Amino acid sequence: QVQLQQWGAGLLKPSETLSLTCAVYGDSFIGFYWTLIRQPPGKGLEWIGEINHSGGTYYNPSLKSRVTISVDTSKNQFSLRLSSVTAADTAIYFCARALYGGNSYIDYWGRGTLVTVSS
Amino acid sequence: SYVLTQPPSVSVAPGQTARITCGGNNIGGKGVHWYQQNPGQAPVLVVFDDSDRPSGIPERFSGSNSGNTATLTISRVEAGDEADYYCQVWDISSDHRVFGGGTKLTVL
Repeated sequence: QVQLQQWGAGLLKPSETLSLTCAVYGDSFIGFYWTLIRQPPGKGLEWIGEINHSGGTYYNPSLKSRVTISVDTSKNQFSLRLSSVTAADTAIYFCARALYGGNSYIDYWGRGTLVTVSS
Repeated sequence: SYVLTQPPSVSVAPGQTARITCGGNNIGGKGVHWYQQNPGQAPVLVVFDDSDRPSGIPERFSGSNSGNTATLTISRVEAGDEADYYCQVWDISSDHRVFGGGTKLTVL
């Protein structure tokens, strides 16, 4: 059974950098997309971006200038950095696993981490 | 960028059939996936590749996709089906993952 454990700071001040790390247990790290998604309170799901085991990345164009997703295959971990946060970045951030292919879908999700941006 | 449009809400009585739509330009040419999200929880995949069900998902959940509309159908709706539902595609032209805005299913 695949498990995604995630951790990061829950409270940030405006202009700080959000950091979130996701660890993958129970299956190979290779052959999947490792995905970050967020959900502002009371709103829908927003795709942030994703990375494969070799470091190939795809980013949401609306966030691309502030986002970096990286991978550490030696630890089966991937990480998100989102710079210059504002209150609009307050959300639950999810790590997830997605399948390769043109019809890619997400089959496993982490529990989510609430990140609040407030002065 | 590719846009998926869902109705904000759908209401249905217990035992009836709920249909949740997901509109997109020529969405019939893409694989559509559906997620169920209960309050305070991560989403769960309920239908993938238009109409396939992951193991453990009841047969009451089914999907279809044609033209400009994909549909998630929930038969014999139960109180426990009350949740938010999201459709999703991978837009191969832009290499982006796209979600619909979500539909809140209310069981009356």
